[in-house]
Amino acid sequence: EDQVTQSPEALRLQEGESSSLNCSYTVSGLRGLFWYRQDPGKGPEFLFTLYSAGEEKEKERLKATLTKKESFLHITAPKPEDSATYLCAVSQLTGGGNKLTFGTGTQLKVEL
Amino acid sequence: ETGVTQTPRHLVMGMTNKKSLKCEQHLGHNAMYWYKQSAKKPLELMFVYNFKEQTENNSVPSRFSPECPNSSHLFLHLHTLQPEDSALYLCASNQGRLNEQFFGPGTRLTVL
Repeated sequence: EDQVTQSPEALRLQEGESSSLNCSYTVSGLRGLFWYRQDPGKGPEFLFTLYSAGEEKEKERLKATLTKKESFLHITAPKPEDSATYLCAVSQLTGGGNKLTFGTGTQLKVEL
Repeated sequence: ETGVTQTPRHLVMGMTNKKSLKCEQHLGHNAMYWYKQSAKKPLELMFVYNFKEQTENNSVPSRFSPECPNSSHLFLHLHTLQPEDSALYLCASNQGRLNEQFFGPGTRLTVL
């Protein structure tokens, strides 16, 4: 059974203090690893898809990387507006769609 | 309307009520999904539809009944729910078996 573990559960940073969030996974054949951002009371917002080890994607202050066992979401010089819960999910094919297995997320708070 | 929309955004119902959640996607996708998000738990996949056909039922109790009349609309019919069914219900859609899913804002359901 696919498993996704995210750490830390919560992270408090000062504005400008860079850090990384971790997502470790066990899957029987990775079909994609996804990062989402979720603000309170809202649906998850898609950030990145990574398909193979060594792949990297960047968007503004965020950079996602992938190895065979884990993914990191690096946040460089974060701002208060980066505060959110960051979710990681792995994909397995099912029927005509894809089945995402999510971790419990890392709740990030960036303070002035 | 753009993206994935869900109505209502908030719903309070008694255990003997019958209600329905509605999801509409304006992205031209062919697959649609229902997820349940409870506090401190990962998102749980409930149902998958591909081209209106249900391709996955993740052992969901029969008090939840999905309906997909076309590729753009998805409903979740609710009856005789339990208080533990209180959660955020999220709808998502995607195009292609490997592609990222796009989420709606969710319906916050409270069962009294």
